[in-house]
Amino acid sequence: GAGVSQSPSNKVTEKGKDVELRCDPISGHTALYWYRQSLGQGLEFLIYFQGNSAPDKSGLPSDRFSAERTGGSVSTLTIQRTQQEDSAVYLCASSLANRGTGELFFGEGSRLTVL
Amino acid sequence: GENVEQHPSTLSVQEGDSAVIKCTYSDSASNYFPWYKQELGKRPQLIIDIRSNVGEKKDQRIAVTLNKTAKHFSLHITETQPEDSAVYFCAASAHNNDMRFGAGTRLTVKP
Repeated sequence: GAGVSQSPSNKVTEKGKDVELRCDPISGHTALYWYRQSLGQGLEFLIYFQGNSAPDKSGLPSDRFSAERTGGSVSTLTIQRTQQEDSAVYLCASSLANRGTGELFFGEGSRLTVL
Repeated sequence: GENVEQHPSTLSVQEGDSAVIKCTYSDSASNYFPWYKQELGKRPQLIIDIRSNVGEKKDQRIAVTLNKTAKHFSLHITETQPEDSAVYFCAASAHNNDMRFGAGTRLTVKP
């Protein structure tokens, strides 16, 4: 596709439920990032994938959060037993460049609301 | 790890005036400094970036300056227009390290 695609764009869930957020990066981009943006806040790094290398999970806030990237393309961020503090916009970005060296192309984000 | 501080958090200017947003970083190894613009409800998009081998870069009405010694960099927007209204994020990273973002500056340009 022309850009990074994320789904769903909006998700409302009840506390304690699991959610899955999907990211479809730009074709050919080997680097994929997940960030979290809370209301009025900056971009909080969650996880980074690069090709077939082991992901950098150092930004995941708790063991309720996990992510995978299948076939080096589509990625899924899973939040188990959601809490109200998980409410945020979850942004995915992909890049052609090596980590820390070039432009990130962001998706429109998935807005998660936990009631 | 890298820590990026950004200020001001909000900035309001009159159309035609200049706007300046400043960021400081902590890791002297950082060598890439992008700026992203996020319009309301939209995705962040890169507007300009600078690498540590230069001190200033311009692109039409926007410019970025970098002071490696002081570990700070700034975004300058001249002749502001209402469509410049958005949240601006600075970021800093070193090769093979996290890209750390500032908390953002909400710029409002009043017509």
